Amino acid sequence: AQSVTQPDIHITVSEGASLELRCNYSYGATPYLFWYVQSPGQGLQLLLKYFSGDTLVQGIKGFEAEFKRSQSSFNLRKPSVHWSDAAEYFCAVGPSDGDKLIFGTGTRLQVFP
Amino acid sequence: EAEVAQSPRYKITEKSQAVAFWCDPISGHATLYWYRQILGQGPELLVQFQDESVVDDSQLPKDRFSAERLKGVDSTLKIQPAELGDSAMYLCASSFLGTGGVHEQYFGPGTRLTVT
Repeated sequence: AQSVTQPDIHITVSEGASLELRCNYSYGATPYLFWYVQSPGQGLQLLLKYFSGDTLVQGIKGFEAEFKRSQSSFNLRKPSVHWSDAAEYFCAVGPSDGDKLIFGTGTRLQVFP
Repeated sequence: EAEVAQSPRYKITEKSQAVAFWCDPISGHATLYWYRQILGQGPELLVQFQDESVVDDSQLPKDRFSAERLKGVDSTLKIQPAELGDSAMYLCASSFLGTGGVHEQYFGPGTRLTVT
């Protein structure tokens, strides 16, 4: 079955600390992977995506993610978190054309000053 | 910067009533999606349009939900009658074929529906 698992429902970090949000996927074909961020009451904004090539991808707002095929993972990282990064983060997987995305249940990030 | 527009942003309705949501995609985006996001979960695709045609409505509860995109531009999602379990955020997204022939989906702010 095709699915995305985000094991951490809620993460709390201090401002300036590093961050890693976990994402594991199950997908029958070559996965195309995405991370989205959702601020309260807002829609989803694309942070970054991986299709092929370099397994470390850079996104907006200083985020990066690393694709590890052997671990079926696509973890999101940021070296230094800002208070404005507090939001909900969703990992998604889809087919080669980026259509029909399957989303994880999300990780809520809280940032303390 | 162009955005996906949705209205209303919030809607409270009583069960058994009809409710409708509207979405205006980014100009030139041929593909339009309606997602439902239940609190604490990720978005789930309800229906997908390519221009004015439905290409996937396998997850749309067709006994009460309907969607249309008559001129291939804006779209309406309707629920009739609404049930308590329909309380959720309804997200609209539109996409174009970006780098490498991959859809890049842009999401609107959503409509928060509460059914009482």
